[in-house]
Amino acid sequence: DAKTTQPNSMESNEEEPVHLPCNHSTISGTDYIHWYRQLPSQGPEYVIHGLTSNVNNRMASLAIAEDRKSSTLILHRATLRDAAVYYCILRDGETSGSRLTFGEGTQLTVNP
Amino acid sequence: ETGVTQTPRHLVMGMTNKKSLKCEQHLGHNAMYWYKQSAKKPLELMFVYNFKEQTENNSVPSRFSPECPNSSHLFLHLHTLQPEDSALYLCASSQLRPGNEKLFFGSGTQLSVL
Repeated sequence: DAKTTQPNSMESNEEEPVHLPCNHSTISGTDYIHWYRQLPSQGPEYVIHGLTSNVNNRMASLAIAEDRKSSTLILHRATLRDAAVYYCILRDGETSGSRLTFGEGTQLTVNP
Repeated sequence: ETGVTQTPRHLVMGMTNKKSLKCEQHLGHNAMYWYKQSAKKPLELMFVYNFKEQTENNSVPSRFSPECPNSSHLFLHLHTLQPEDSALYLCASSQLRPGNEKLFFGSGTQLSVL
């Protein structure tokens, strides 16, 4: 899988929007961009994914750059429960059952 | 509740013990995974099973032995472990769909080897 780069940590205030960046300059045309998050003492949970167009769901929005070399996960109103490690991962769109490789991720701290 | 249940949640074992970790998924998925997460390290993929067949073994030592009797159950048999094997062991499942697969994780088993 192609590599992604994320900041080690970010901080936000409660009820403010959070923009979590991810760089993936070696992304291939068939790679999907996936985001997972891991709350303390839990397994990771799926957040959102996309290929080319921006995506929205009940948890977050995903903004994908036009050249697809970067993306941004947007939490519209951060809550204390959003404090977690956020992982940006690329998945090959031409194979299934392949490994999901986690990097270091971004540790998000939400201040009350 | 993610639909993936792992037992036990915590396990303490000596280096000469034999124990097993259990994972069960209620989502009708056809792929299951074992991951290891050591303190302050990224998750490491250990094993992948597609349709009950092992498709990936990420150079895991033989003291870890996986078993997948059916698409809903996955075991990790442990024997003669080392203290450095202490970690959070996570099970996940997915429905095989190129690029669009979503993994669903259990809460993990926190293993301590004394």
